[in-house]
Amino acid sequence: QVQLVQSGAEVKKPGSSVKVSCKASGGTFTNFAVNWVRQAPGQRLEWMGTIIPIFGTTNYAPEFQGRVTFTAVKSTSTAYMELYTLKSEDTAVYYCAKDVGGYYYFDPWGQGTLVTVSS
Amino acid sequence: QSALTQPASVSGSPGQSITISCTGTSSDVGNYDFVSWYQQHPGKVPKLIIYDVTKWPSGVSSRFSGSKSGNTASLTISGLQAEDEADYYCCSYADGSAYVFGTGTKVTVL
Repeated sequence: QVQLVQSGAEVKKPGSSVKVSCKASGGTFTNFAVNWVRQAPGQRLEWMGTIIPIFGTTNYAPEFQGRVTFTAVKSTSTAYMELYTLKSEDTAVYYCAKDVGGYYYFDPWGQGTLVTVSS
Repeated sequence: QSALTQPASVSGSPGQSITISCTGTSSDVGNYDFVSWYQQHPGKVPKLIIYDVTKWPSGVSSRFSGSKSGNTASLTISGLQAEDEADYYCCSYADGSAYVFGTGTKVTVL
């Protein structure tokens, strides 16, 4: 059973960038996609996009297009989300979540990474 | 992509049934039978409780059930229990190989 383990909390200055990792533990990237979802304090879940690691293909939500990059390293079964030009509104918990090809739901989720943007 | 619309809060007494609606458009809920529901307790990771509109993941109570009509999906919690008090989010697959989440509903057990 694959689990997703994310990197630790980050504190960043406005205008900088952050890179969050998500490692597949207990398995490897086979036929599943890694989705990134964020949740600002007290707010709803927000889908940021998807990467299919074995192909390297990505699909970004329009709201994040041009400001985020998803990558993956197959040899270490680790996916990455890099968000640029950070603003205070980007303060949120960032989750990675797995969806299996042909199935349209997210399970399991990583434990979440809190990114705080503050001057 | 606009968020799916859910009621901000729903409440019920122990043992009662409650229903949470999730309204989208013909580009998401109305066009795909790929609606999922997630339960999130404060400070915790979202947990999948329903997928493909009506299906249960292994280990999830059958007190949770899902349905869909047109552009609106619904989650019903039967035999409400104190542990059901949490936030609930719907999510739909959408045009452009995208996903969209709902606005979220806070369930309170009176």
